[in-house]
Amino acid sequence: QKEVEQNSGPLSVPEGAIASLNCTYSDRVSQSFFWYRQYSGKSPELIMSIYSNGDKEDGRFTAQLNKASQYVSLLIRDSQPSDSATYLCAALPSGTYKYIFGTGTRLKVLA
Amino acid sequence: DAMVIQNPRYQVTQFGKPVTLSCSQTLNHNVMYWYQQKSSQAPKLLFHYYDKDFNNEADTPDNFQSRRPNTSFCFLDIRSPGLGDTAMYLCATSPGTYLAKNIQYFGAGTRLSVL
Repeated sequence: QKEVEQNSGPLSVPEGAIASLNCTYSDRVSQSFFWYRQYSGKSPELIMSIYSNGDKEDGRFTAQLNKASQYVSLLIRDSQPSDSATYLCAALPSGTYKYIFGTGTRLKVLA
Repeated sequence: DAMVIQNPRYQVTQFGKPVTLSCSQTLNHNVMYWYQQKSSQAPKLLFHYYDKDFNNEADTPDNFQSRRPNTSFCFLDIRSPGLGDTAMYLCATSPGTYLAKNIQYFGAGTRLSVL
């Protein structure tokens, strides 16, 4: 089992809908989690970080962390075509500076 | 204002011709990272520095070297690039604490093409 797993997609949602992106992780990497957005040919850009169980909201984005079930998700409300990108889930294990990345989920928002 | 700056943004080199990529940061972060990212793949960590302490990944080819002459700058040297080294090279920094909020910031990347 990979330490951070994501469905590669593409996940297609209509404009205005909620996009739900999921990430599961192994025990070893559980401490902090980060969602990055990466447009084609560009570098990753931090969207959200989450450290505690529960939800964290920032504008149209909500990150959810469930440590018992070992998953972290990102919800994008009112999806826009400009949200079309690859979303990378990253974990930072306790006691290390090395981030573990998932392979990313490609999101397509259809106008 | 850009906080992690990579130069050049695009680099074309010939097979076997050494190339150096540079990264600078204004965040005063302790940790600097170099990643290689190929199309549709996750970023792959090549090495990282905590201050001047160098940490190489076990599967990083010997062809890849790095220097960090001071806190602000870090360089990636590819001694004899092969066609398989064509990729985006990402520099990143993080504060380097063991606190949970150890957020990593990326530069814009250097797209390297080896011909």
